[in-house]
Amino acid sequence: QQQVKQSPQSLIVQKGGISIINCAYENTAFDYFPWYQQFPGKGPALLIAIRPDVSEKKEGRFTISFNKSAKQFSLHIMDSQPGDSATYFCAASKGNDMRFGAGTRLTVKP
Amino acid sequence: GAGVSQTPSNKVTEKGKYVELRCDPISGHTALYWYRQSLGQGPEFLIYFQGTGAADDSGLPNDRFFAVRPEGSVSTLKIQRTERGDSAVYLCASSLLAGGHTGELFFGEGSRLTVL
Repeated sequence: QQQVKQSPQSLIVQKGGISIINCAYENTAFDYFPWYQQFPGKGPALLIAIRPDVSEKKEGRFTISFNKSAKQFSLHIMDSQPGDSATYFCAASKGNDMRFGAGTRLTVKP
Repeated sequence: GAGVSQTPSNKVTEKGKYVELRCDPISGHTALYWYRQSLGQGPEFLIYFQGTGAADDSGLPNDRFFAVRPEGSVSTLKIQRTERGDSAVYLCASSLLAGGHTGELFFGEGSRLTVL
């Protein structure tokens, strides 16, 4: 029941580079699209989220781009840092039904 | 504590045994979720509570899994006759709903279950 498809599975980026992670969803009823960051041994933590009435949201080095017609959204991490190395999950929800992608393991090399 | 607390952090059991996993949500959060995370996968929805009642248990894989939240705060996930395939990290999350929309989910650190 994978309703949210995420790519790539893993990503290696040099320090200072741009990390891009993509997600696609099927259910057009979804109306909230968060990204969660997870470090080993910890639970996921909300990074940034967007609702479909806007096409882009930026918070510091993190930007979500949202394409409603294509049912796709992406996370861009500018000036990637080694401390950003973690697993990132996109999600999509309607009401209390939140579905997660399979995750992207990001490694930022110094 | 200020965050979602889950106990035990690690549980090793034998196939066929009964297991209970506990979640203490953030005070005042009415919504509580259980997710299961297998290695290399995203969290998979199991069950959602609004207050004391299970509003959506469609993610429970079979009748060996059951969860309760008797007083609308602490929740217990119960797994009967455990199988090796139940091995995973069980995540609990809570949220403060506003206007019927899913708000931010605050996750605990999870309970890692290993069934031998």
